Amino acid sequence: EAGVAQSPRYKIIEKRQSVAFWCNPISGHATLYWYQQILGQGPKLLIQFQNNGVVDDSQLPKDRFSAERLKGVDSTLKIQPAKLEDSAVYLCASSLVSAGVSNQPQHFGDGTRLSIL
Amino acid sequence: EDQVTQSPEALRLQEGESSSLNCSYTVSGLRGLFWYRQDPGKGPEFLFTLYSAGEEKEKERLKATLTKKESFLHITAPKPEDSATYLCAVLNYGQNFVFGPGTRLSVLP
Repeated sequence: EAGVAQSPRYKIIEKRQSVAFWCNPISGHATLYWYQQILGQGPKLLIQFQNNGVVDDSQLPKDRFSAERLKGVDSTLKIQPAKLEDSAVYLCASSLVSAGVSNQPQHFGDGTRLSIL
Repeated sequence: EDQVTQSPEALRLQEGESSSLNCSYTVSGLRGLFWYRQDPGKGPEFLFTLYSAGEEKEKERLKATLTKKESFLHITAPKPEDSATYLCAVLNYGQNFVFGPGTRLSVLP
């Protein structure tokens, strides 16, 4: 079974520029998550999708971050404009059904490491 | 607010030296507690889910246990390939995952 695919693996931009990350979840997984992981910390949930719809985006800084999941499969996360504190690894995860339904574990991609200069 | 803490922050063991990692949590309602392993430059890899106090799960040299306030990950006779960061996460009744900061484990040959 192919895992969660993310691209790019690394990205370096200057502050105030924009950046986008892409995620392709495991085939058949209805739920998709984006996490931010700052060095030395655990992942922090940014947004959770169930198929096309947003389940939780309470920790997404909506003035600069946006995410979409078209057709309930791939997803993109965008930052515009970027700030220095956005330097982190952005992880995408997917699960078969919503964790709220059946406590399904999440399967993670290897992330995109973002550096802001 | 739900919180997860992990201790120690870092742990160095000699090969074969057994030890335990701790995950303490406060959560409004626990649906499940998850353990993950994370290697440098990789995403977290799922290890275990525990649902209720008293439950135990085992996989090779790892055993996870759960009480009402904490979980332990016991590592028996570790090998260098067990070196990684171990993360625990709780899932609450609001369907939110909250991760701890992790324990960095180094096993020396």
